[in-house]
Amino acid sequence: SQKIEQNSEALNIQEGKTATLTCNYTNYSPAYLQWYRQDPGRGPVFLLLIRENEKEKRKERLKVTFDTTLKQSLFHITASQPADSATYLCALVLNNDMRFGAGTRLTVKP
Amino acid sequence: DTAVSQTPKYLVTQMGNDKSIKCEQNLGHDTMYWYKQDSKKFLKIMFSYNNKELIINETVPNRFSPKSPDKAHLNLHINSLELGDSAVYFCASSHRDPYNEQFFGPGTRLTVL
Repeated sequence: SQKIEQNSEALNIQEGKTATLTCNYTNYSPAYLQWYRQDPGRGPVFLLLIRENEKEKRKERLKVTFDTTLKQSLFHITASQPADSATYLCALVLNNDMRFGAGTRLTVKP
Repeated sequence: DTAVSQTPKYLVTQMGNDKSIKCEQNLGHDTMYWYKQDSKKFLKIMFSYNNKELIINETVPNRFSPKSPDKAHLNLHINSLELGDSAVYFCASSHRDPYNEQFFGPGTRLTVL
């Protein structure tokens, strides 16, 4: 069965540094991969979508890459800020349904 | 102008009871979803539904049933609640095609005593 793994449960970095989060999946590659942000007590919020024929996508300080050979997506936040502290979820579509990874809790320390 | 709303936000009930959670979206989306997020924060799809098709995750007990009175609403009914049903339930909506971003509600924290 398809598995989605996010590299670590928690990641702590210093303000101003680049945060890099990893999402790996098994079996066949999805046509799309999405990244969401979730704050405590709230629902996930969509950030970026990347298609299988796209190597990279950017939005302001966010960058997502998609390597179908490695079966991996990387999510980068440059010039990180304490306000970026949240849980970040990757998601891929499987059989017309979105399947989420367990998430990585990012903490950016001032 | 809330996009996806859920009621109630908190629900505390006894084992064996039947309860419902309501969800409404005003985004004009044609597909709605229910997710369960357990204590380990893992978000798992339960149902996806549009006016033509209901897709059920095979691991969801048949005590759970979605009911859609119209395109803007997808309510979740749970019969004979069990302790293991305690979790946060999220409703979401999206355009069906092609795998567009999903908009989530604020969640309903269900506690079964």
